[in-house]
Order: sequence, then C-alpha cells, then structure tokens
Amino acid sequence: AQSVTQLDSQVPVFEEAPVELRCNYSSSVSVYLFWYVQYPNQGLQLLLKYLSGSTLVKGINGFEAEFNKSQTSFHLRKPSVHISDTAEYFCAVSEWNTNAGKSTFGDGTTLTVKP
Amino acid sequence: DAGVIQSPRHEVTEMGQEVTLRCKPISGHDYLFWYRQTMMRGLELLIYFNNNVPIDDSGMPEDRFSAKMPNASFSTLKIQPSEPRDSAVYFCASSRPGQGAEEQFFGPGTRLTVL
Repeated sequence: AQSVTQLDSQVPVFEEAPVELRCNYSSSVSVYLFWYVQYPNQGLQLLLKYLSGSTLVKGINGFEAEFNKSQTSFHLRKPSVHISDTAEYFCAVSEWNTNAGKSTFGDGTTLTVKP
Repeated sequence: DAGVIQSPRHEVTEMGQEVTLRCKPISGHDYLFWYRQTMMRGLELLIYFNNNVPIDDSGMPEDRFSAKMPNASFSTLKIQPSEPRDSAVYFCASSRPGQGAEEQFFGPGTRLTVL
C-alpha cells in the first residue's frame, strides 16, 4: 500500500525568502505524485503533478517540485515566497494503473509567510 | 465548467438530527470521493465511487454514515443520527484518470457543526 509523509507540519518563512516543503512517499509500484494547496476556507486545488518524463515539474504561482525516485521524494520549492502563499500544502500519491482514481494524501504542511 | 458543486456550504444542526450533504461532480468525471477534514485527524477519505458504484467505503466511520450515487451527476453523504464529533468540513472531489488528467478536483466543502 502507498503512503505519504510530509516531514514538516509547519514552516514559517519571511517574505521573499526561498522555501522547501518536503514530501517522501512509499509504494511498491510506479506512482503519480501531486502537490495541492488549500487556502483558508477553500477546497484543495492542484499546484503541480508528476506523471512521467522530466523529473522537474513546474506548477502555478512559481512553485516547482522534483521527483527523486531513488530517494522516493517529491519536495516542493519556491525561490521567493509572497504573503499570499500562506496556505496549507498537501502532497499526494496515486499508484499507476491500480486504483488510479484514488490518491493517498499526506498530513499537510502549513506555510506561513511573514512580512 | 462550474467545477465540483457542494451544498449546503454551511450546516448547523442539533445532535440526533439527520444531515444530508450533496455533491455534483464535474461532468464527464467517473470517480467521486468524499473526504472529511478536521484539525485533529486531518484529511480523511471516507468513500469513493467509480461509475456510480462504491469501490471502497472502509473510511466511513460507522453505520451512522451512508453515501449514495444514484447517477453520474449527483451524490449524497448522509449522517443519521448526527453527533457533535461529526463536526468537520466535508469535501467532495471528482476525477477522470487517464490521458494525463490524474488529479482530483475538489469542491468548496460543507462546514458541518453539530451542537
């Protein structure tokens, strides 16, 4: 069975600083990987996804993530954050071609950007 | 497309009452998911459907919870009788895996308060 571990529950950072949110996964088969963002009082929305091909994936709002198969990681990065990036971020994994509709979500990382 | 639609957005009820949450998935999506989000337990998958058929309901907390999907454009999650510990935000999500669109699309959620 697949699992996801988000290594930091809370990440405080100053505006314009770089940030990395860490995600490790476990699966016995090939996977799809996702990062979702949840702003206060809203549903989750997709930031970016890795399905295949290039291991560096670019998403919306200047975020990017790198798939590292050997380390089973999919860390999210942004070189310079804004106040508006304050939100909760979820890493998720789906197993390729098995229960493809179902994703396992991590516990979330709360990113707080301070002025 | 209007996205995933959930109603009501907010529901306040008294312990023992029946609560029905509603979801309209994105047209053409063949997977539908019900999640519950709380501060204590995070984001939990309750049940999911494929082509209107329940595939996995192992996340449903107890017999007080039931979900139906009578057709491709409508699903309900019912709690009877409701209890204060059911207070949470309930999300519906839909997806159409394949052809590079593996992600889930979330509704805005229903905030349930059971007094």
